[in-house]
Amino acid sequence: DGGITQSPKYLFRKEGQNVTLSCEQNLNHDAMYWYRQDPGQGLRLIYYSQIVNDFQKGDIAEGYSVSREKKESFPLTVTSAQKNPTAFYLCASSIEGGLGEAFFGQGTRLTVV
Amino acid sequence: AQSVAQPEDQVNVAEGNPLTVKCTYSVSGNPYLFWYVQYPNRGLQFLLKYITGDNLVKGSYGFEAEFNKSQTSFHLKKPSALVSDSALYFCAVRDPGGGSQGNLIFGKGTKLSVKP
Repeated sequence: DGGITQSPKYLFRKEGQNVTLSCEQNLNHDAMYWYRQDPGQGLRLIYYSQIVNDFQKGDIAEGYSVSREKKESFPLTVTSAQKNPTAFYLCASSIEGGLGEAFFGQGTRLTVV
Repeated sequence: AQSVAQPEDQVNVAEGNPLTVKCTYSVSGNPYLFWYVQYPNRGLQFLLKYITGDNLVKGSYGFEAEFNKSQTSFHLKKPSALVSDSALYFCAVRDPGGGSQGNLIFGKGTKLSVKP
């Protein structure tokens, strides 16, 4: 099956810890994205990558970091600098160039305990 | 700057009645427009898109949307609602200008509730 896989589905983090959310796709898409979803705020772009070894900050990149060492993988690290990390995180991919729709993973719900 | 507005936080419809979920947009160029649906604790599923051509676009699960350039709108419609259509609906726009302008910008979402 082609698609995007996010793991884990649920993640709990203690204050001051860094955690990494996994996102893998086998759709051969060049572009990958990370969004944060909070109730009533829609989806906000954290980081995006249009090609391997390159990525750009989105609207709310502070406290987050990413890497894009392989085309299939775009992990997101939520660092201790992110003051309000509890949210639902969505990874997506699309063909580069803008014509194609984005395909989304099932999301990771991160909770700070 | 690009933006998308979904003016209704919630839409309530009786099963069997037609439904409309509203979306307006603002971009500097010709927009690429998308509708997605999200069920609780799940990712977004693509419903339909407008890139160019016929202003009436048909998509998955009987949904359709009409692109209206003069009103900068892209409302989602369905002739007869089902209880299973109850979900959160997102409109998104992409300005194909390249760079960060090529990213999807999402509205805040509209919760659709279909009652039996």
